[in-house]
Amino acid sequence: GAGVSQTPSNKVTEKGKYVELRCDPISGHTALYWYRQSLGQGPEFLIYFQGTGAADDSGLPNDRFFAVRPEGSVSTLKIQRTERGDSAVYLCASSPTSGGNEQFFGPGTRLTVL
Amino acid sequence: KNQVEQSPQSLIILEGKNCTLQCNYTVSPFSNLRWYKQDTGRGPVSLTIMTFSENTKSNGRYTATLDADTKQSSLHITASQLSDSASYICVVSGTSGGSYIPTFGRGTSLIVHP
Repeated sequence: GAGVSQTPSNKVTEKGKYVELRCDPISGHTALYWYRQSLGQGPEFLIYFQGTGAADDSGLPNDRFFAVRPEGSVSTLKIQRTERGDSAVYLCASSPTSGGNEQFFGPGTRLTVL
Repeated sequence: KNQVEQSPQSLIILEGKNCTLQCNYTVSPFSNLRWYKQDTGRGPVSLTIMTFSENTKSNGRYTATLDADTKQSSLHITASQLSDSASYICVVSGTSGGSYIPTFGRGTSLIVHP
């Protein structure tokens, strides 16, 4: 079956603009994670969903970042008033459950804020 | 604070040679430890997983070890191939309020030369 997909693969925007990044998890996976990865760094946890609810959003850097998963499947990461420091690869991963199971990662969205 | 430290930061070896990557962690309470391989421009892919009671796990030419007492893990790659060139990330999952939030290391960048 299909793996985790993310769209767009690349996004270039100007400082101050609003962006949405989409994640389609593997069908049936209840857990969904968003990460941010800067060059030469490991992924940094942002938020984790169990079903439709955000079980842990402690990694969101500030209130410009928000994520939703209204039907427990597709998730959207929303960034308001983008800043140059938001430039990074945003990775999404899904897992059958949240119990420390393997996370299956998407290819990521490379966000560049000019 | 949960931390995962990896060494070396980067490594260059010749095709056919063996190498060992190191991971030290301070995640508590411990649930499991995974090694991921991340090719350039792609999301991480799980290589091995170990729980507290396991001290070695193999996946083809990859062998991971875990010493839960000293909180150290290693990933040994045997008879390296050009396709092994990638970033190898150590990920340790603990538990926080019942959810499993992983802590990622920064990764070791491995380059295999012909």
